[in-house]
Amino acid sequence: GENVEQHPSTLSVQEGDSAVIKCTYSDSASNYFPWYKQELGKRPQLIIDIRSNVGEKKDQRIAVTLNKTAKHFSLHITETQPEDSAVYFCAASPVIGNQFYFGTGTSLTVIP
Amino acid sequence: DTAVSQTPKYLVTQMGNDKSIKCEQNLGHDTMYWYKQDSKKFLKIMFSYNNKELIINETVPNRFSPKSPDKAHLNLHINSLELGDSAVYFCASSYPSGTGSYEQYFGPGTRLTVT
Repeated sequence: GENVEQHPSTLSVQEGDSAVIKCTYSDSASNYFPWYKQELGKRPQLIIDIRSNVGEKKDQRIAVTLNKTAKHFSLHITETQPEDSAVYFCAASPVIGNQFYFGTGTSLTVIP
Repeated sequence: DTAVSQTPKYLVTQMGNDKSIKCEQNLGHDTMYWYKQDSKKFLKIMFSYNNKELIINETVPNRFSPKSPDKAHLNLHINSLELGDSAVYFCASSYPSGTGSYEQYFGPGTRLTVT
């Protein structure tokens, strides 16, 4: 099955700085790559996603890049704010069953 | 107007017991899932299910079984509970593959504690 690795596991940044989280995947059949944000005690919620026919996608302060050849994708958050503090999960989804295979999560802390 | 709901929110039980967690979605989705999130926050797929097929992650013990009375509900039954089953269980739903919509919507989670 798919194996998704995520780095770093923890990340602390000063408010206003940028944060970058990187993921790699193993299954070349994966074609959908979402990013979920999970606040403490809450459910994971989608913040941005990218499909395999796109190299980059941006939504305000959040952007995701995908390199299918190298099988890696990254989340970029600019101008970080304290409310960005949460655990972020990347995921990869092969076609069959639409199952998501999540990375191990990155705990982001934005220091005011 | 909750999209994906789960009951109960908390479940404390003893080893060896059998328990169920219920999940309901009102989004009109055809595919539902169960995920397990352990104490290290790892989110792992357990099952995906639509009205045509059940896909089981090969690492899931057969003590766990999903049951779907209709496409809006996917309940999780766990037999002979073990200490290692303690985790937060999330239900999720989405449109099926091939529809062009991929997002999965998660329920609020059920924290299961086995003593």
